[in-house]
Amino acid sequence: KQEVTQIPAALSVPEGENLVLNCSFTDSAIYNLQWFRQDPGKGLTSLLLIQSSQREQTSGRLNASLDKSSGRSTLYIAASQPGDSATYLCAPDPRGAAGNKLTFGGGTRVLVKP
Amino acid sequence: DTGVSQNPRHKITKRGQNVTFRCDPISEHNRLYWYRQTLGQGPEFLTYFQNEAQLEKSRLLSDRFSAERPKGSFSTLEIQRTEQGDSAMYLCASSLGILGADTMNTEAFFGQGTRLTVV
Repeated sequence: KQEVTQIPAALSVPEGENLVLNCSFTDSAIYNLQWFRQDPGKGLTSLLLIQSSQREQTSGRLNASLDKSSGRSTLYIAASQPGDSATYLCAPDPRGAAGNKLTFGGGTRVLVKP
Repeated sequence: DTGVSQNPRHKITKRGQNVTFRCDPISEHNRLYWYRQTLGQGPEFLTYFQNEAQLEKSRLLSDRFSAERPKGSFSTLEIQRTEQGDSAMYLCASSLGILGADTMNTEAFFGQGTRLTVV
């Protein structure tokens, strides 16, 4: 059974600092891994999807890396802004399972202070 | 592209009542998923449809829960005889499944969720 851990559980940084969010998973047999953002009381917004054959994916100030063999992914957010305050969730998509049966970590709650 | 739409956004019900939630996926997506999220936790998988076929159900989905996707478009999730422990955010997601053996799954998109409170 896939288990996902996100460290740290919470993070508070001043505006402008770079953010590093870690995700580890126990089963490396995955199709891909998605990073999501969730604002309080809202649904999930997809940020990045990394295919299992890729080592990193970039979108604007976001960069996600994937080391499938060691079961790790890291999300980097450059030059953080107060609008980046949210909970960030990672979810590997298991190979062999039907569809996007995503398993989520508990998330990292980020606060960017102006 | 209107995204994944869920209704209602909020539902307060008395214990023992039945509730039904609706999800409208992105129109061309053939796969639809339901997840449940409790406060401070990540979402947990409940069930999954490919077109109108319900292909997998989690053990979290007790006999009081039923989900349908009658025409392969929108889906409903019904909870009968609600209990306080059912209070949670119910999230729907959709994706475009690429058919064929051992092929990659594509990006999943989530709706805004339905917040259920059982009093």
